[in-house]
Amino acid sequence: EAGVAQSPRYKIIEKRQSVAFWCNPISGHATLYWYQQILGQGPKLLIQFQNNGVVDDSQLPKDRFSAERLKGVDSTLKIQPAKLEDSAVYLCASSQAPEGRGGREQYFGPGTRLTVT
Amino acid sequence: GNSVTQMEGPVTLSEEAFLTINCTYTATGYPSLFWYVQYPGEGLQLLLKATKADDKGSNKGFEATYRKETTSFHLEKGSVQVSDSAVYFCALSPGYNFNKFYFGSGTKLNVKP
Repeated sequence: EAGVAQSPRYKIIEKRQSVAFWCNPISGHATLYWYQQILGQGPKLLIQFQNNGVVDDSQLPKDRFSAERLKGVDSTLKIQPAKLEDSAVYLCASSQAPEGRGGREQYFGPGTRLTVT
Repeated sequence: GNSVTQMEGPVTLSEEAFLTINCTYTATGYPSLFWYVQYPGEGLQLLLKATKADDKGSNKGFEATYRKETTSFHLEKGSVQVSDSAVYFCALSPGYNFNKFYFGSGTKLNVKP
């Protein structure tokens, strides 16, 4: 089974430029997550999709970040304009839809390391 | 509410030493509990999980037991190797609320030869 795919793996941009990241989840996974991981910290959820609907975007800086998941499969995350503090690793993860009690494990992609100069 | 608290690192051990990384949680309902590992430059990988009280998750010599009475899910390994050097994250998912996850802040493990 193929894992979660992300591209690009690395990106360097100047502040005020725009950037986009792409994620293709594991086939059949209904839930897709975007996380921001700043060096030395745990993942911070930016947005969570269930199929192609947003179920949580409470921590997404909506003035500069946007995300979409067309057709409930792959997803893009965009930053426009970027700030220095956006330098981080952006992780995409997917999971099967929840079923009964407890949660389903998430599977993570390798991440995109963004450096804003 | 839901939250996870992990012991702060870094934890530095010699090869073949015994490892414990503490994790406690606060949750509503009946959460599933997870340990993820992140090797340098990589994404998070599921290490083990437990879905109900008294379950023991295990993988690659690591173990953790879901203790509802102490709300804990401590990670243990009897004999660590240099290759176990990584950051370990404890996480919970309450199951409802569309499978949202709550991660701890991570514990960095350094194993010296």
